Amino acid sequence: DAGVIQSPRHEVTEMGQEVTLRCKPISGHNSLFWYRQTMMRGLELLIYFNNNVPIDDSGMPEDRFSAKMPNASFSTLKIQPSEPRDSAVYFCASSLAGWDGGYTFGSGTRLTVV
Amino acid sequence: DQQVKQNSPSLSVQEGRISILNCDYTNSMFDYFLWYKKYPAEGPTFLISISSIKDKNEDGRFTVFLNKSAKHLSLHIVPSQPGDSAVYFCAASTSGGGADGLTFGKGTHLIIQP
Repeated sequence: DAGVIQSPRHEVTEMGQEVTLRCKPISGHNSLFWYRQTMMRGLELLIYFNNNVPIDDSGMPEDRFSAKMPNASFSTLKIQPSEPRDSAVYFCASSLAGWDGGYTFGSGTRLTVV
Repeated sequence: DQQVKQNSPSLSVQEGRISILNCDYTNSMFDYFLWYKKYPAEGPTFLISISSIKDKNEDGRFTVFLNKSAKHLSLHIVPSQPGDSAVYFCAASTSGGGADGLTFGKGTHLIIQP
């Protein structure tokens, strides 16, 4: 199993540009989560999906952030327009609901907005 | 308001000794707790979990203790090894380990000294 795959690993963009982060969950997992890690706030849950349906997006900081999961094997997190304060590491994770082993995280995307 | 708190940003322990990492929570609805380990440039990896119906769970060198009345849990690693040097995150859930979002603490950086 290749695990949760995130791309790109690193992204540097200018303020005002659109940024799209991508995630491929583990095959068979039916829950997908987007987290953001910063020094100040630690790991924050942004949004999660169950069976491709967004369940809770209360952690999305602003309307500039949006996430989609068009099918069970792909999700995107988009920031438009990006701002320097969006600089962080963004993690995607997936899990099988009902299993007590927790999530499997991807390696993250380090986003730098200049 | 932080619902999961890890009050020690870092901890240094000599190789072979016991490492004890602490975590406090405020939300009495949490019923499932997990520990994750994170190396630099990687995503967090699941380590061990405990349900609120238990007060102890053991897996090899790792033991998690839960004190519900004190809203406190701890992770014991014995004996500590150099490969245990990492950031450890405490996490909690209100609905088991899989389907819903986890709330994370900010992490404790464990350093194992030779």
